[in-house]
Amino acid sequence: AQKVTQAQTEISVVEKEDVTLDCVYETRDTTYYLFWYKQPPSGELVFLIRRNSFDEQNEISGRYSWNFQKSTSSFNFTITASQVVDSAVYFCALDNFNKFYFGSGTKLNVKP
Amino acid sequence: NAGVTQTPKFQVLKTGQSMTLQCAQDMNHNSMYWYRQDPGMGLRLIYYSASEGTTDKGEVPNGYNVSRLNKREFSLRLESAAPSQTSVYFCASSEDEGISSPLHFGNGTRLTVT
Repeated sequence: AQKVTQAQTEISVVEKEDVTLDCVYETRDTTYYLFWYKQPPSGELVFLIRRNSFDEQNEISGRYSWNFQKSTSSFNFTITASQVVDSAVYFCALDNFNKFYFGSGTKLNVKP
Repeated sequence: NAGVTQTPKFQVLKTGQSMTLQCAQDMNHNSMYWYRQDPGMGLRLIYYSASEGTTDKGEVPNGYNVSRLNKREFSLRLESAAPSQTSVYFCASSEDEGISSPLHFGNGTRLTVT
């Protein structure tokens, strides 16, 4: 069975703080893909990153970074020096043969 | 660049009424999906279509039917709406050319069933 758990329902930080969003997944497959999506208050879903199960290198894109650890089945997302525009719901997802399984999301509130 | 277009954006139905949610993509993607989003539950897959002419059930298919009319269009039908189907519905598409491709989402349809 495939499952994605985002245990943090809601996080509030003050602007410029760093924040990490946790994602833990379950799958029996050896080949799979992990994703993060952002849903700002306007409601659309925006793709942020894709990682395949064979690539455990961390990735950095500007203020965003992702830490993938197969040993703990985690794919955590860190925002450095958060900004008000980062306020959104963030979803982690697992793709197994093009059936995407989403976590319940973490709502991030960044206060000025 | 339209991407994925969903209609309508909002809809109110009475219990027992039927309706069809329309979705079209102009990216020549093979795979299309219907998700529903409920508070605290993330997005749950209703149905998906890996290619034109094929459809498969997702996690929560009960009460829904789908049609992959052609490569561009994938519709979702509620035959007899129930209050439990009040939700935000998202259509999505992906390339699916042998490697996992990101989902491209429409802007959603907010459905209320009274």
